[in-house]
Order: sequence, then structure tokens, then C-alpha cells
Amino acid sequence: NAGVTQTPKFRVLKTGQSMTLLCAQDMNHEYMYWYRQDPGMGLRLIHYSVGEGTTAKGEVPDGYNVSRLKKQNFLLGLESAAPSQTSVYFCASSGGDVVTDTQYFGPGTRLTVL
Amino acid sequence: AQSVTQPDIHITVSEGASLELRCNYSYGATPYLFWYVQSPGQGLQLLLKYFSGDTLVQGIKGFDAEFKRSQSSFNLRKPSVHWSDAAEYFCAVGASGGSYIPTFGRGTSLIVHP
Repeated sequence: NAGVTQTPKFRVLKTGQSMTLLCAQDMNHEYMYWYRQDPGMGLRLIHYSVGEGTTAKGEVPDGYNVSRLKKQNFLLGLESAAPSQTSVYFCASSGGDVVTDTQYFGPGTRLTVL
Repeated sequence: AQSVTQPDIHITVSEGASLELRCNYSYGATPYLFWYVQSPGQGLQLLLKYFSGDTLVQGIKGFDAEFKRSQSSFNLRKPSVHWSDAAEYFCAVGASGGSYIPTFGRGTSLIVHP
């Protein structure tokens, strides 16, 4: 039981390049989330999913796209990377019970855009 | 919409001293409240959560927190801090209805002096 895993752990991009971050969970969770963490800003929600095939915008969705084709995977895409997207990205998942289920976080992906 | 404020960016304590990290929330109804800890280079780990019932919540690693509705607060406490408690601490608030997505505070960095 690996929990929540993220690939890759580190990445450096040039402005305008594209990339996809992969999040995988093996807990059969319904909900999955992508956050970015910047110094002094805490965690800000980018996009989330409440089930396979569904996605929704969070607080800071601009410049990102997501897909949830399989229940266990949640992909975050950057079509044209910008320096403002330099950040640490965290994926999380939780069960479908909004009262009792806890968010479980992955270890993060550190992205630098030059 | 819900919001959460962590007034202290940094807190410095001596090892063995008591600790209280402040968290104030804004939400019209009964909130769901969480405290997470993030060790350097790691993802977030849940320390404790409050949904209803007893306003004093016990968590892992010797932490507890008290929900005070009259003060809109959910402060995290520990009677005796260990050097290994040095980390970033995040308070989060969730809505009690609809699609549950927690909102995170900006975090408090705990520094522990020997």
C-alpha cells in the first residue's frame, strides 16, 4: 500500500514547454486534488475531482488542465509553462465521505520554470 | 465561503516548553477543522480533526486542539515540545455541506531551540 505517489519528484522546464504531472493513489479514493505551495501562501487548490471522469476548478486553475480517466490517477498538465508556475505541487486524495474522510498527501513535485 | 487565518508566520520555542499555535476561521455554520504538519521536504500529515461533539480533540504525536465557537478559533497545543516537532503547521477549515473542499491557512513555521 503505497498511498499517494507523485511523478516526477523534480523537474526543470523552460518557459513555453509543456509537461504532465502524474498522481496515483491505491486507496480507492473518490476525491483527488492538486495543490500548489508557495512560500507564505500555504496550499492553494488548483483543480480537483470528485470521481472518475469528473474535474472541477479550484482557487487558482489558470494555466493548468487536469484529467481523471482512471479512478486511481489524476494528471495535472501545463501546456505552456511560465516562471510564475515555479512551485511545489502536491496531490492529495480522500474518500467519498465528506464527514469522516481525511486527505492523504503525496510527497510533492518541485517544479522550476526558467 | 470559508477562510482560515494563522496569525503567526514563525514561532520559536525551547525544547521542553509548551506550545500553542493559533488558528482562526470564518464560516457561517459549524466548520470542519483540521491541523496538518509538514516536515521539510515532505507532504502534509494529518495531526487531528474536529467535526462535532467534544470540543477538545486529541491528535497524534502528543498534540491536541480545542474548538472555541465563541472565538472562532481552533488552536493547536502541545505541553512539551521536542526538537523533532520543528516543522510547518497548517490549519484548514472545511464546509459542512455540499462538496467538501478544505481551505488551508498560510502556515506557521515552528522553530525549536535546544
